[in-house]
Amino acid sequence: DAGVTQSPTHLIKTRGQQVTLRCSPKSGHDTVSWYQQALGQGPQFIFQYYEEEERQRGNFPDRFSGHQFPNYSSELNVNALLLGDSALYLCASSLHPPRGRQYFGPGTRLTVT
Amino acid sequence: ELKVEQNPLFLSMQEGKNYTIYCNYSTTSDRLYWYRQDPGKSLESLFVLLSNGAVKQEGRLMASLDTKARLSTLHITAAVHDLSATYFCAVPGSARQLTFGSGTQLTVLP
Repeated sequence: DAGVTQSPTHLIKTRGQQVTLRCSPKSGHDTVSWYQQALGQGPQFIFQYYEEEERQRGNFPDRFSGHQFPNYSSELNVNALLLGDSALYLCASSLHPPRGRQYFGPGTRLTVT
Repeated sequence: ELKVEQNPLFLSMQEGKNYTIYCNYSTTSDRLYWYRQDPGKSLESLFVLLSNGAVKQEGRLMASLDTKARLSTLHITAAVHDLSATYFCAVPGSARQLTFGSGTQLTVLP
């Protein structure tokens, strides 16, 4: 049973560029949530997708957007990258509503220079 | 706004000793999660605590939840080096989005 997968593993971008991160949820899960974890901090909730719609959003600017596909996989897009966007981006999958535990993927390490 | 506070933030302990990590949260929740994170790695689910008075144990770790006090504890018994990691508690919001504590970085010394 495949767990949550994310790609790419690492990414280096320049300020002002745009980036797309990808996530495939655990088999049988239909809800995907994205989190940003800056170095030395706990993860911060970005947004949650279910039925191809954004259902909940954390305190992140509109530069952060996402998408969910019919197969439940998801993308996180970040436009106009800032140095402060450098972080580990984690995808979590669950059933809807996510009453049980959420399973996290291995993460994508984004470095903005 | 839901706030989750952990203490201590840093913990160095000798092998074989016992210690407790505390997690306080600011609004009512019927469940709480504990995760472990090794350096450069993702989050590994340790415990899901689903009700007041819930207690879960696995190996040298035991977690408990007091929803009335809005407090969870993670107790470490007879620590070993392999337990060195950062431990996070997390509380779900209205849409089950998780709010995490700042983490407790545990170092077990020989």
